[in-house]
Amino acid sequence: DIQLTQSPSLLSASVGDRVTITCRASQGISSYLAWYQQNPGKAPKLLIYAASTLQSGVPSRFSGSGSGTEFTLTISSLQPEDFATYYCQHLNNYPLTFGGGTKVEIK
Amino acid sequence: QVQLVQSGAEVKKPGTLVKVSCKASGYTFIGNYIHWVRQAPGQGLEWMGWINPNSGDTNYAQKFQGWVTMTRDTSIRTVYMEMRRMKSDDTAVYYCAREVVGPATGVFDYWGQGTLVTVSS
Repeated sequence: DIQLTQSPSLLSASVGDRVTITCRASQGISSYLAWYQQNPGKAPKLLIYAASTLQSGVPSRFSGSGSGTEFTLTISSLQPEDFATYYCQHLNNYPLTFGGGTKVEIK
Repeated sequence: QVQLVQSGAEVKKPGTLVKVSCKASGYTFIGNYIHWVRQAPGQGLEWMGWINPNSGDTNYAQKFQGWVTMTRDTSIRTVYMEMRRMKSDDTAVYYCAREVVGPATGVFDYWGQGTLVTVSS
């Protein structure tokens, strides 16, 4: 199974900050990676797929990059509604797996 | 609009089974695979498997083979996830999620609201 390691697990930031979350895969997965945002008590929400394609309706301050084994999710200017937990997920093969999550909290 | 509406919270005793439903609306039911993902309290997301609502074909993560069954009823646009021989560490929120059609296979664009299943004696 492909393991996904996210870092950091906790990120403290302020409104307006640029933040970057990293996801590393245990083996190469080309661009088969998605990112989700989850708020407490809610279902995850798709942000990005194919490593860098923004899902319809997602604000352009979110961007994704990377291929192979290293990927990043960047929020260019953190907004109050962005304080949440973020998960990466690989789409390379089955079983699908998720990273451990990165919680973005208010500094 | 696309909606996945799940059944309500359940409390189950160890060794029993639970069956969670996920009713789809707002799109062609047989056009998208439905996956199940669970999340233990305070933990991350764990993929369980998928069902093809058109054919009924399924694919389970190895961990869940033999004790989880996914089925569907096309007449009422509903998929089900049944888990048997439940243990306390199966306490989790169970989500159904719709898979995107096309190149981005394995990506989930719509999710149910989640069903909390608590396993406790």
